[in-house]
Amino acid sequence: QQQVKQSPQSLIVQKGGISIINCAYENTAFDYFPWYQQFPGKGPALLIAIRPDVSEKKEGRFTISFNKSAKQFSLHIMDSQPGDSATYFCAAHHTGFQKLVFGTGTRLLVSP
Amino acid sequence: KAGVTQTPRYLIKTRGQQVTLSCSPISGHRSVSWYQQTPGQGLQFLFEYFSETQRNKGNFPGRFSGRQFSNSRSEMNVSTLELGDSALYLCASSLTTGNEQFFGPGTRLTVL
Repeated sequence: QQQVKQSPQSLIVQKGGISIINCAYENTAFDYFPWYQQFPGKGPALLIAIRPDVSEKKEGRFTISFNKSAKQFSLHIMDSQPGDSATYFCAAHHTGFQKLVFGTGTRLLVSP
Repeated sequence: KAGVTQTPRYLIKTRGQQVTLSCSPISGHRSVSWYQQTPGQGLQFLFEYFSETQRNKGNFPGRFSGRQFSNSRSEMNVSTLELGDSALYLCASSLTTGNEQFFGPGTRLTVL
């Protein structure tokens, strides 16, 4: 119950297109859902995050959609750019254990 | 504000040795978490410290330990290194509760 399932494993999108990455969880003790972007050789960088009392959050080209009843959340990257090519991780914060549980990552490649 | 810093950035050790990694959190942050990142297991939670106390520990053997100092800086130690300990070790800091976590660049440990 402490897993976060992420799909797809890899994604190729054309420049200007929409990238969509999905995550699902089961544990209702998760209280915060961040997305991280990681470039090779770097640590994960916090991109955007949402709490379960909100259904959508938008920051620039990045949007999180959150479906509490389905226990699913997704990241949408609008107008994808080659510079967005990176690995994206969804995560869920366990309020009891004060830890982040990460999805397995999605390697995004935006072709020029 | 300076980000999370980790030292050293790279380490090469041999089996059986021990290693100490250091993390300096963002100024004012009191919670420090450690994660192990490997291609096979992804990002796994090691432990979390707040006000010099370990609040939670992940599912790792006792060879993995850590501590936090009064200035919130943290160290983690791995004793009797095994080949499987080769990984990127990431430190993340947050203000208090551990949900909004900011990662450092990591320490790349290679065990030969």
